[in-house]
Amino acid sequence: GAGVSQSPSNKVTEKGKDVELRCDPISGHTALYWYRQSLGQGLEFLIYFQGNSAPDKSGLPSDRFSAERTGGSVSTLTIQRTQQEDSAVYLCASSLGGQGKETQYFGPGTRLLVL
Amino acid sequence: AQKITQTQPGMFVQEKEAVTLDCTYDTSDPSYGLFWYKQPSSGEMIFLIYQGSYDQQNATEGRYSLNFQKARKSANLVISASQLGDSAMYFCAMSPDTGRRALTFGSGTRLQVQP
Repeated sequence: GAGVSQSPSNKVTEKGKDVELRCDPISGHTALYWYRQSLGQGLEFLIYFQGNSAPDKSGLPSDRFSAERTGGSVSTLTIQRTQQEDSAVYLCASSLGGQGKETQYFGPGTRLLVL
Repeated sequence: AQKITQTQPGMFVQEKEAVTLDCTYDTSDPSYGLFWYKQPSSGEMIFLIYQGSYDQQNATEGRYSLNFQKARKSANLVISASQLGDSAMYFCAMSPDTGRRALTFGSGTRLQVQP
């Protein structure tokens, strides 16, 4: 079956521009996560969506970052007024969203470079 | 709060030999899951193995096994009969079984399998 997909795979932008990153989770998965992987910070949690509940935004590094999930499926992570320190790989993961054992499956990531 | 520690930045192993990648953790959650992911140079995070905190037996998945010692708070990954394709970054991670299920990752171990 299809895994988690992300687009674009690579994005180069200029400082100050806005970018949108897209994630398409595994069909039937109600939980969706965004993570960021950078050389200096390792893998960091950004935001978590579970079904129709309000998202957990506790990992977002600043108010320039926002995310939404439409129809309980596709999610978009938006970074406004990008800064060079936003350069990283942005990983999306999804899981069934139940109790107990919950394995998260990751997409291939979007490599963002802010010049 | 949860914390994962991987003390081996890099490891070498000869092809066909076994290797152990270390992982220790700290958490105040009473119930949690421990995970290992593999990240090859392509960048995708590949799920390898899961261990629940209340599982009585150590998890195994093919050539992967998890040496879980709850009292020591360790969850070491053992790869048997190493193959050249095992060369990658390996991340230990954990998440609570309830509430925000976001993964907390360690800093990773880069494994190089030598012919």
